[in-house]
Amino acid sequence: DVKVTQSSRYLVKRTGEKVFLECVQDMDHENMFWYRQDPGLGLRLIYFSYDVKMKEKGDIPEGYSVSREKKERFSLILESASTNQTSMYLCASSFHGTGAYGYTFGSGTRLTVV
Amino acid sequence: AQTVTQSQPEMSVQEAETVTLSCTYDTSESDYYLFWYKQPPSRQMILVIRQEAYKQQNATENRFSVNFQKAAKSFSLKISDSQLGDAAMYFCAYRTRSGNTPLVFGKGTRLSVIA
Repeated sequence: DVKVTQSSRYLVKRTGEKVFLECVQDMDHENMFWYRQDPGLGLRLIYFSYDVKMKEKGDIPEGYSVSREKKERFSLILESASTNQTSMYLCASSFHGTGAYGYTFGSGTRLTVV
Repeated sequence: AQTVTQSQPEMSVQEAETVTLSCTYDTSESDYYLFWYKQPPSRQMILVIRQEAYKQQNATENRFSVNFQKAAKSFSLKISDSQLGDAAMYFCAYRTRSGNTPLVFGKGTRLSVIA
């Protein structure tokens, strides 16, 4: 069964901490994405990557960075967590070069910053 | 830039009835894909149905079907014989044919199913 796995389902961190959210896919997908999901705002794109060591800013990159050292792993980094980063974070992956198949999603990490 | 609009933040339907969720989008492209995703309380996003813009025939998957009106840029989802397990957030999404740009999502519609 193909999968996108997010390392934590729930996470509680303190303000100012450096936070790592990990995402691993086993489908050999080139593309990987990080979204945050907030009530009434839908899914907003933070960062995405089309290849190893490549990254592109999405709609709301401020306060975040990413790392993609291996094809299967895409990490989202909150350099100094703040309470306004409390949210649900969704990772997704897809093949490059065709839009036909949409995304495969992870099951999300609900992050609370206190 | 492409945008996707879901004008119904919440909807409800009686079990076994039919409900239609609305979605409109804006694009200057002529060839693209449209999707409906379901997010149940478990949070796992599941692909419900997909429509290719160059196909005039509306996509159907069991109890789920779409009404795709390309000229009107409308892509509604019809759920027939609603079941309790259909209760979820539903997101409409757009993607270019090449797939070299991210999916663009609507803000979602929360569907409740009443027993």
